[in-house]
Amino acid sequence: QKEVEQDPGPLSVPEGAIVSLNCTYSNSAFQYFMWYRQYSRKGPELLMYTYSSGNKEDGRFTAQVDKSSKYISLFIRDSQPSDSATYLCAMKTGGFKTIFGAGTRLFVKA
Amino acid sequence: DVKVTQSSRYLVKRTGEKVFLECVQDMDHENMFWYRQDPGLGLRLIYFSYDVKMKEKGDIPEGYSVSREKKERFSLILESASTNQTSMYLCASSSPPQLDRGAWDTEAFFGQGTRLTVV
Repeated sequence: QKEVEQDPGPLSVPEGAIVSLNCTYSNSAFQYFMWYRQYSRKGPELLMYTYSSGNKEDGRFTAQVDKSSKYISLFIRDSQPSDSATYLCAMKTGGFKTIFGAGTRLFVKA
Repeated sequence: DVKVTQSSRYLVKRTGEKVFLECVQDMDHENMFWYRQDPGLGLRLIYFSYDVKMKEKGDIPEGYSVSREKKERFSLILESASTNQTSMYLCASSSPPQLDRGAWDTEAFFGQGTRLTVV
């Protein structure tokens, strides 16, 4: 079993839709949770990060962490074609090592 | 604008060749990382370095070595390239946590990637 599971998609939505991206994990020691966005033929860029449980909002993006269920989510409101990318969840216990999900490909159709 | 720069976007090498992938960052970061990215497997850590001349193995170090002679430069070396090393290679950098200032320690900055094909 992988430490972090993420549905690879692809996920296709119309412009303006609310997008929900999710990851589950098995290691209860994870404390730091991140979401990266990766455009085609580019490196990942850090989008959101959260420490422990709770919600964090940044513009159209909201990250949620539910440690009791070992489940994290990224919501994108009013999705735009420019949001089309691969979204990677990532998490760490606090040391150097980050564990990444395999990524979900998102397509937002105009 | 902060940058992590990888020396090549695309490389094609022959089996058995020694391959060097270079990464340079201009943010004075202590930590640097090499990952490979494969479909369905996500990013897997090959090696990381937390200081000049220091290195630590990641999850998949076999067949690879690294060099960090200067703070800004971290090189990945494929000693004898094989076809199963065909992949996207990503370099990243970060600085240690400065939690009292609300700063974050993570691989916040990635290079654009090097797509290596071994034939």
